[in-house]
Amino acid sequence: NAGVTQTPKFRILKIGQSMTLQCTQDMNHNYMYWYRQDPGMGLKLIYYSVGAGITDKGEVPNGYNVSRSTTEDFPLRLELAAPSQTSVYFCATWGTSGDNEQFFGPGTRLTVL
Amino acid sequence: KDQVFQPSTVASSEGAVVEIFCNHSVSNAYNFFWYLHFPGCAPRLLVKGSKPSQQGRYNMTYERFSSSLLILQVREADAAVYYCACKGSSNTGKLIFGQGTTLQVKP
Repeated sequence: NAGVTQTPKFRILKIGQSMTLQCTQDMNHNYMYWYRQDPGMGLKLIYYSVGAGITDKGEVPNGYNVSRSTTEDFPLRLELAAPSQTSVYFCATWGTSGDNEQFFGPGTRLTVL
Repeated sequence: KDQVFQPSTVASSEGAVVEIFCNHSVSNAYNFFWYLHFPGCAPRLLVKGSKPSQQGRYNMTYERFSSSLLILQVREADAAVYYCACKGSSNTGKLIFGQGTTLQVKP
């Protein structure tokens, strides 16, 4: 099993450009999450989903959008990139069948110039 | 406000036992989760629970609003960021993370 995969690993954007960060999991977990990690700030929840077709805002959703059309995929969309969105982005999943922990992907490092 | 607190930096010497403290103000949170994060890699769960527990060199202490992660016989390779997290009462699996503690290990 690949677990949680994220693409791309690195990306540089210009201000105002858009992009989609991809997240895919093969663990059949219903719950998925997007975090951003800024130095000294820990992991902040951007959006989460409790199943296909259901998404909700986290702590820092402004400037982002998500969709969840399948159990496996949970893409994060940046429409108008801003320097404040320079960060490392992590996708995670949570299994409800006894795992009781979040499994993380390796992250995407995004720089907006 | 639901928050988790942990020190930004902890320093230790090789071979020692290092303790990283965490406390929270998360409503109805009973479980602590300790994650290890090396830059460029996925954060990895070390230990979790609502009672004291141990996984290899990692011990977790437990009080209702605080927990410590103890790393036994710390090595230079343990230098990384350690996150403490709590899960509130919602059934969405959402975790609230602390700011992360950078462990510095002196040879």
